[in-house]
Amino acid sequence: AQTVTQSQPEMSVQEAETVTLSCTYDTSESDYYLFWYKQPPSRQMILVIRQEAYKQQNATENRFSVNFQKAAKSFSLKISDSQLGDAAMYFCAYRTYTGNQFYFGTGTSLTVIP
Amino acid sequence: NAGVMQNPRHLVRRRGQEARLRCSPMKGHSHVYWYRQLPEEGLKFMVYLQKENIIDESGMPKERFSAEFPKEGPSILRIQQVVRGDSAAYFCASSERPGYSSETQYFGPGTRLLVL
Repeated sequence: AQTVTQSQPEMSVQEAETVTLSCTYDTSESDYYLFWYKQPPSRQMILVIRQEAYKQQNATENRFSVNFQKAAKSFSLKISDSQLGDAAMYFCAYRTYTGNQFYFGTGTSLTVIP
Repeated sequence: NAGVMQNPRHLVRRRGQEARLRCSPMKGHSHVYWYRQLPEEGLKFMVYLQKENIIDESGMPKERFSAEFPKEGPSILRIQQVVRGDSAAYFCASSERPGYSSETQYFGPGTRLLVL
């Protein structure tokens, strides 16, 4: 069974600094997809970044980048130049290559300190 | 292009009543997924539907919960005889081509159900 683990319930970062959120997952599949979603206080789920497991290159979206370590089944999110608007709950998610559902971690609450 | 729409955004029901949650997918999307988020937890998959078909309901409770996605109109998640444990945020997501290599699910704003 696929499981996603986020071991950091809460994190904080100074504005303009860099923070890394951790995520590990368990799967026997070789092809799959990994995602980071952001859930601000409005509770809307917003896609932050996506990584295909078959790609060795780490995905990057502006200030957001991932460190994907397939052998270690690790998928961390790095937020550079943190902004107040980055404060939110961040969820790591996994989907199999042809799967219908996402498997979510329990989330990391990020606080940005002015 | 309007995003996934859900209504109502907030719903209060008394124990034993019925709750109906609606989801309109993004334009061009014909696949809908429902997830439930209990307090302090991540989202848990409930059901996946295409137009007029339930494809995967492995996450749905066996009783009181049902879902549909008719040919016309929004997808409906129905909870009969609600209990306090049903209090949660219910999210709908939609996608264009499930299983496609670059497929992503786009989420609606959720419906917060409170059972008194």
